[in-house]
Amino acid sequence: DAKTTQPPSMDCAEGRAANLPCNHSTISGNEYVYWYRQIHSQGPQYIIHGLKNNETNEMASLIITEDRKSSTLILPHATLRDTAVYYCIVRVVRAGNMLTFGGGTRLMVKP
Amino acid sequence: KAGVTQTPRYLIKTRGQQVTLSCSPISGHRSVSWYQQTPGQGLQFLFEYFSETQRNKGNFPGRFSGRQFSNSRSEMNVSTLELGDSALYLCASSVSDIYEQYFGPGTRLTVT
Repeated sequence: DAKTTQPPSMDCAEGRAANLPCNHSTISGNEYVYWYRQIHSQGPQYIIHGLKNNETNEMASLIITEDRKSSTLILPHATLRDTAVYYCIVRVVRAGNMLTFGGGTRLMVKP
Repeated sequence: KAGVTQTPRYLIKTRGQQVTLSCSPISGHRSVSWYQQTPGQGLQFLFEYFSETQRNKGNFPGRFSGRQFSNSRSEMNVSTLELGDSALYLCASSVSDIYEQYFGPGTRLTVT
C-alpha cells in the first residue's frame, strides 16, 4: 500500500471547518483513500473513502486532487467531540482487509 | 445493530503466560482483523480471517496466532507473553474487503 504523509497536529476553532490534508504521491490507480479517526483510547472509527471523485457523507467531505496525489478531509462544522487523531490510509480493495496506519494528524478543536 | 464486541476489556498477565482474546463481529460480517496499538509503534496489523481462513498476516512472531469460528467470532492467542506485548488489541469486522471496517473498543493487555 502507498505511504501517506500527514501533519502531526492541527488546531481548529469550534464551529469552523477543519481541513485535514494528506499526501499520497505514490498512490496507484487501484488504491482507494480511506479516512478513520480515533478518539482517545477508543477503537478507530471509519469516516469516509473514495477513489477519484469527491465524496460526502453525514460526517465529512473528501476532496481528492485530479492527479490523486493528495486529498483533504473536511469536517464542515467542527465540534469539541471531533478532537481525535485522524488517519489517512490508502489501500487496494479486493486484496484483503489490511489497513496500514501511519502517525495520523492529532486534531484539537478549541472553544 | 450491535457493534463489534471484545472480551475481556482489561487483562493483566505475567511474563511467560499465555492469553486468549475474543472478538464478536457485527452480525453478517465475515471478515475479522486484529490490530495491536502501542505508544511506540502505533497501530499495527496482526492478521485477518475471512470465512475461517487466515487471509493476511502482519509482521509479528509466531507467538501471535488466531482463529475464526463458523459463526465468524474470532480469537487471538499470544503465548509466552513478553513485557513488550503490553498493548491495546483491537478487533475490526467488515462485510468483505471492499467495505469499511468497524472497530471494537479493544482489550487492554498489561504484562508484568
